[in-house]
Amino acid sequence: NAGVMQNPRHLVRRRGQEARLRCSPMKGHSHVYWYRQLPEEGLKFMVYLQKENIIDESGMPKERFSAEFPKEGPSILRIQQVVRGDSAAYFCASSTISGTGVSRNTEAFFGQGTRLTVV
Amino acid sequence: AQSVTQLDSHVSVSEGTPVLLRCNYSSSYSPSLFWYVQHPNKGLQLLLKYTSAATLVKGINGFEAEFKKSETSFHLTKPSAHMSDAAEYFCVVSLNQAGTALIFGKGTTLSVSS
Repeated sequence: NAGVMQNPRHLVRRRGQEARLRCSPMKGHSHVYWYRQLPEEGLKFMVYLQKENIIDESGMPKERFSAEFPKEGPSILRIQQVVRGDSAAYFCASSTISGTGVSRNTEAFFGQGTRLTVV
Repeated sequence: AQSVTQLDSHVSVSEGTPVLLRCNYSSSYSPSLFWYVQHPNKGLQLLLKYTSAATLVKGINGFEAEFKKSETSFHLTKPSAHMSDAAEYFCVVSLNQAGTALIFGKGTTLSVSS
């Protein structure tokens, strides 16, 4: 099991360009989360997705940011018209719910992150 | 609402001395709590987790944490620091009862000197 794979590891974009960040969850995991780590801050939850569904996007900026997790392929975090303030590390995590209903035995496994630099 | 506060942004210790990283949480229900570690240029790694079993939780690399409901704390400790422990540590609380979405503290940077 290769773990959560994120690519690219480093991404440089000029202001106004689009950034696409990819996340392949661990095998068998159907839940994906995206987090953003700004300099000097902790990780901030952005969005929680299951296959073909956005479950919770309360942490996503209202404009320019979107996320998807298609039936086939990786989850994509897309940032349009990037600005310098988007420079951050973006982490993806995946998990699976064990059992049904409420479960506290779930662990989220994290990728190594994508470091986005906007110049 | 769930939240987590890491009381120190930076902790410095000498090699061989004890480590204490402090974390307080706020949760409307009995929470699931985690400590994650992030080494430079690496992904986050789970150190340990509390999920309503024993209040003293043992993790990897000699770390442990004690869940104290009366103090709403989940402090991370290690008896003797090693140089390789230098990293950033995140205290985490569940965002929901399923434990599948997490709120992170701002992190504590641990420095270890020889």
